[in-house]
Amino acid sequence: EDQVTQSPEALRLQEGESSSLNCSYTVSGLRGLFWYRQDPGKGPEFLFTLYSAGEEKEKERLKATLTKKESFLHITAPKPEDSATYLCAEANQAGTALIFGKGTTLSVSS
Amino acid sequence: DGGITQSPKYLFRKEGQNVTLSCEQNLNHDAMYWYRQDPGQGLRLIYYSQIVNDFQKGDIAEGYSVSREKKESFPLTVTSAQKNPTAFYLCASSIPGLSGNTIYFGEGSWLTVV
Repeated sequence: EDQVTQSPEALRLQEGESSSLNCSYTVSGLRGLFWYRQDPGKGPEFLFTLYSAGEEKEKERLKATLTKKESFLHITAPKPEDSATYLCAEANQAGTALIFGKGTTLSVSS
Repeated sequence: DGGITQSPKYLFRKEGQNVTLSCEQNLNHDAMYWYRQDPGQGLRLIYYSQIVNDFQKGDIAEGYSVSREKKESFPLTVTSAQKNPTAFYLCASSIPGLSGNTIYFGEGSWLTVV
């Protein structure tokens, strides 16, 4: 069964304290690994898509990386406005829909 | 502006009633999706449609129905057969084939059974 596992479930950081979120996936023949940001009561906002091991993408204080079995979302010198739930998803085997993890809720305090 | 519009934002349903959630997109996307989100459960796929007049069940389709008569619209009906319908519902769209394409989400609809 296709599965996406994210860790930790929750993460509290001080402003400026860098850290990483983890996403493990199981679909063989990866058709895409997606990262989204979700604010409370809102729809997820697209951040990155990664397709092959070794690929990296950056946006402001966020950098996503991909290995053969997992992806990391690195947050460098976070600010309070980075507080949100970060969702990881992979495309299903048919490439027709996304399978989501349960998310990591990040809280950054000043 | 292009995007996905879901309505209503908040909806209350009495037990035994059917309700329909609207989803409209002007992104010219062929594929559309419905997900359900419960606290601590992440997003779960209800139905998806790759093209007009065609749709497939997702992981939790029981108690739900959809139609895809127009490219822009993908309404979701929550029927009385859905035993635990209180949740946050998200509609999304994309160009078919996720490789190389992004899936975009609407702002969601909250459904509460009273």
